[in-house]
Amino acid sequence: DSGVTQTPKHLITATGQRVTLRCSPRSGDLSVYWYQQSLDQGLQFLIQYYNGEERATGNILERFSAQQFPDLHSELNLSSLELGDSALYFCASSVQGYNSPLHFGNGTRLTVT
Amino acid sequence: GNSVTQMEGPVTLSEEAFLTINCTYTATGYPSLFWYVQYPGEGLQLLLKATKADDKGSNKGFEATYRKETTSFHLEKGSVQVSDSAVYFCALSLSNTGNQFYFGTGTSLTVIP
Repeated sequence: DSGVTQTPKHLITATGQRVTLRCSPRSGDLSVYWYQQSLDQGLQFLIQYYNGEERATGNILERFSAQQFPDLHSELNLSSLELGDSALYFCASSVQGYNSPLHFGNGTRLTVT
Repeated sequence: GNSVTQMEGPVTLSEEAFLTINCTYTATGYPSLFWYVQYPGEGLQLLLKATKADDKGSNKGFEATYRKETTSFHLEKGSVQVSDSAVYFCALSLSNTGNQFYFGTGTSLTVIP
């Protein structure tokens, strides 16, 4: 058990809808990262937060947004969903410091129909 | 730029065979290097890491040595088991980029009895 909790495990929704994915990082970890994993694109970095502030962005679409709250949990919001957004979404956390590894949750599997 | 290149799969081996998964990197700075493993239906788990040149990371019979001169971090195991069947990801992180991570595309390993 990595200590990173993601909910829900599975989500099925229709095109055009909006969903929110939730992540609770490991106790003591200030950094949260979001990744998208699909069969054809591999593991894609979306966004990173550190102690409530956005630290870095990757291949995150404008339809997607995220935030990290004062209690350090994070939410990833996906809107105007398209079929191509179907993927596994992973959250990872780390102690912000050189050499610190990422600890991943088990992911949320999103299916857009 | 910063990137990780790992050998393409899938790789299929017989039980007790020797495993090598190649990984090379480019980095603007002094990275830490990691191998992660993903079992079906799960998130990525840290397998091993190395933080400076000539360091050897090891765990569960897997080893990888940080080779600065060849910018490589190849994963090896002397005798694979069926339970090692998974997808393996090589990754690097850089402190001068706010601890951003760069992942390879993953190598799928199947071990047959």
